[in-house]
Amino acid sequence: DVKVTQSSRYLVKRTGEKVFLECVQDMDHENMFWYRQDPGLGLRLIYFSYDVKMKEKGDIPEGYSVSREKKERFSLILESASTNQTSMYLCASSPSKKPQHFGDGTRLSIL
Amino acid sequence: ILNVEQSPQSLHVQEGDSTNFTCSFPSSNFYALHWYRWETAKSPEALFVMTLNGDEKKKGRISATLNTKEGYSYLYIKGSQPEDSATYLCAFQMNTGFQKLVFGTGTRLLVSP
Repeated sequence: DVKVTQSSRYLVKRTGEKVFLECVQDMDHENMFWYRQDPGLGLRLIYFSYDVKMKEKGDIPEGYSVSREKKERFSLILESASTNQTSMYLCASSPSKKPQHFGDGTRLSIL
Repeated sequence: ILNVEQSPQSLHVQEGDSTNFTCSFPSSNFYALHWYRWETAKSPEALFVMTLNGDEKKKGRISATLNTKEGYSYLYIKGSQPEDSATYLCAFQMNTGFQKLVFGTGTRLLVSP
C-alpha cells in the first residue's frame, strides 16, 4: 500500500513565522502535490512537482514556496505565515498517469 | 480558470436508498475525470479514473458514467449504507501532460440507518 506521510496532524504557529510542512511518500512516485482545503472552496492546488528539484505553480501559490531535494520528500514553506493561511493542508503523490494518493492532512492554525 | 462543479452540495438519504451526484467539467482539453471518496478524519481515496467518452466503471455498489462531449459525469450509489457517508470529490485532468487535477467542491453524503 502506498503511504503518504505528513509530518504533523495539527500545528499552531504565529503570524510572521516561517512554517515548514513536510510530506514523504514511500512508492517512488514522480509527482507530488500540495493542496489546501477550505470550507466551500474544495481542494485547491498550491504547488506541484514532477521530478526532483522541479516545481510548478498551482492555482494559489502566493505566500508559499516548495522544495523537492529528494524524490520521496516534498516540503511546503510558508515564508511569513499570515492568518489567511489557516487551513487544512493535504499532500499527495502519484506515478505518471495514475490516481493521486493523499496524506492524512495537516490542520494549520496561524494565530 | 477551469470550473468544475458538483451537485448537489449535500445529500441526506436513508439506508437502502439509491442516490446519484453530478460532476460538470470543461468539455475541451479533456484527459481524464477522477472520482475520490473522502471520509471524515481520513485521507481522500481514489474511486475511479475515467478517460473515454461513454466509459462506465463499477466498484461494488458504486458506479460512474462519463460524457466528455457534454462535460459531465454521474456517480451512483445503489442501496446506500451508513458507511457510504463521506464527501465525494470529482477532479478534472487536462491533456497538458502534467498530472495536475482541478477539483470540484464535493458532494457531502450522509446516510442514516
